[in-house]
Amino acid sequence: NAGVTQTPKFQVLKTGQSMTLQCAQDMNHEYMSWYRQDPGMGLRLIHYSVGAGITDQGEVPNGYNVSRSTTEDFPLRLLSAAPSQTSVYFCASKAGVRDTQYFGPGTRLTVL
Amino acid sequence: QQQVKQSPQSLIVQKGGISIINCAYENTAFDYFPWYQQFPGKGPALLIAIRPDVSEKKEGRFTISFNKSAKQFSLHIMDSQPGDSATYFCAASMLYLGSGNTGKLIFGQGTTLQVKP
Repeated sequence: NAGVTQTPKFQVLKTGQSMTLQCAQDMNHEYMSWYRQDPGMGLRLIHYSVGAGITDQGEVPNGYNVSRSTTEDFPLRLLSAAPSQTSVYFCASKAGVRDTQYFGPGTRLTVL
Repeated sequence: QQQVKQSPQSLIVQKGGISIINCAYENTAFDYFPWYQQFPGKGPALLIAIRPDVSEKKEGRFTISFNKSAKQFSLHIMDSQPGDSATYFCAASMLYLGSGNTGKLIFGQGTTLQVKP
C-alpha cells in the first residue's frame, strides 16, 4: 500500500511553459485535493474532487486545471506557468467527509 | 480573509520544556479541529484532533485545549524532544453539515518548532 504518491519531486519551469503534476492513491479514496504551501501562508486549497468525474475549485484555483477520470488519479495542470506559482504542491486524499486526510510527499516547483 | 490564525510563526524550546502553539478561528460553524505535523521534505500528517464538545484531548505528550467561547484552540507538547522539531499546522473544518459538504480543511499559517538538545 503506497498511499498517496506524487511525481515529480522537483521541477523547474520557465515562465509560460505548461506541465502536469501527477498524483495517485491506492487506498480507493473518493476525496482528493491539491494544496500549495508557501512560507507564512500555510496550506491553501487549489482544487478538490469528491469522486471520479467531479471536481470543484478551492481557495486559489486561478492558473490551475484538474480532472478526475479515475478514482486513483488526480493530476494538476499548469497551462502557462508564472513565477507566482513557485511553491510546494501537496496532493491529499481521504475516504469520506469525516475520515483522516492523508498527504503525499509533495512536489517542489520553481518557475523562472 | 484568514479564517484560521496561528501563532507564533516560529518557536524555540529547550529539551524537556513545554511547547505551546495557538490558533484562533472565526467561523462558529467549524466543528472539527485537527493538528498536522510536517517534517522537512515530507507531507503533513495528522497528529491529533478535537471536536468542540470537549475542552481537552490528550494523546501521549500532545494535548489540544479548546475554548469554544473564545474561538481558540492550542497544542501543548509536554517534555518536548528534539524529534518533535517540525512544522505544525492547525486546521478547521465543518464535518457535520448537510449533503454536499466536503469537509474541506482550512489551515493556519504554520509554526516551525525547534527543540534544542
